[in-house]
Amino acid sequence: SQTIHQWPATLVQPVGSPLSLECTVEGTSNPNLYWYRQAAGRGLQLLFYSVGIGQISSEVPQNLSASRPQDRQFILSSKKLLLSDSGFYLCAWSRHYGYTFGSGTRLTVV
Amino acid sequence: QQQVKQSPQSLIVQKGGIPIINCAYENTAFDYFPWYQQFPGKGPALLIAIRPDVSEKKEGRFTISFNKSAKQFSLHIMDSQPGDSATYFCAASTGGGNKLTFGTGTQLKVEL
Repeated sequence: SQTIHQWPATLVQPVGSPLSLECTVEGTSNPNLYWYRQAAGRGLQLLFYSVGIGQISSEVPQNLSASRPQDRQFILSSKKLLLSDSGFYLCAWSRHYGYTFGSGTRLTVV
Repeated sequence: QQQVKQSPQSLIVQKGGIPIINCAYENTAFDYFPWYQQFPGKGPALLIAIRPDVSEKKEGRFTISFNKSAKQFSLHIMDSQPGDSATYFCAASTGGGNKLTFGTGTQLKVEL
């Protein structure tokens, strides 16, 4: 069966520090991968998606970047965090119809 | 064209009531319409989904009604329970493997 792992679950980082969030998928090959951000009580904002290794599409210009170094690995990064980067970050994968989401990372930038 | 409009933003019902959440879309190429349920601090989970070749789909207490001509679909929760209190998102996509367009979410609270 397919599983998605996302870590860490919570993270508190100072303004100006770097960020690296990792997501891995097991039990499937060549999945589409997605990073979403969700502000408190708000909807899902698509940040990046990838249809293959090294192929990244950015949906919203921002302080973040994404990479896909391996087929089932998706990384969200920032060189210098801003207060506005705080939120709930979700990774998801799809192969055919529908998404499976990870458990999310709660990022607080202080 | 790519938007999915969801209403209401929030909803409070009594236990046993039937909350209804509505979504509307413009893109007639959409052919997959899932609903996701999200509890606080968790990732959304697929609840139920429908394709446009049927007008209704039931899974347990959850029903999707689909009106292709009106480009609308809705989620009904029968005999709602406090454990159904969550945020619900509708979504749509064109073709398998394509990214979903999400509605803005509905926060449902079921009171005793």
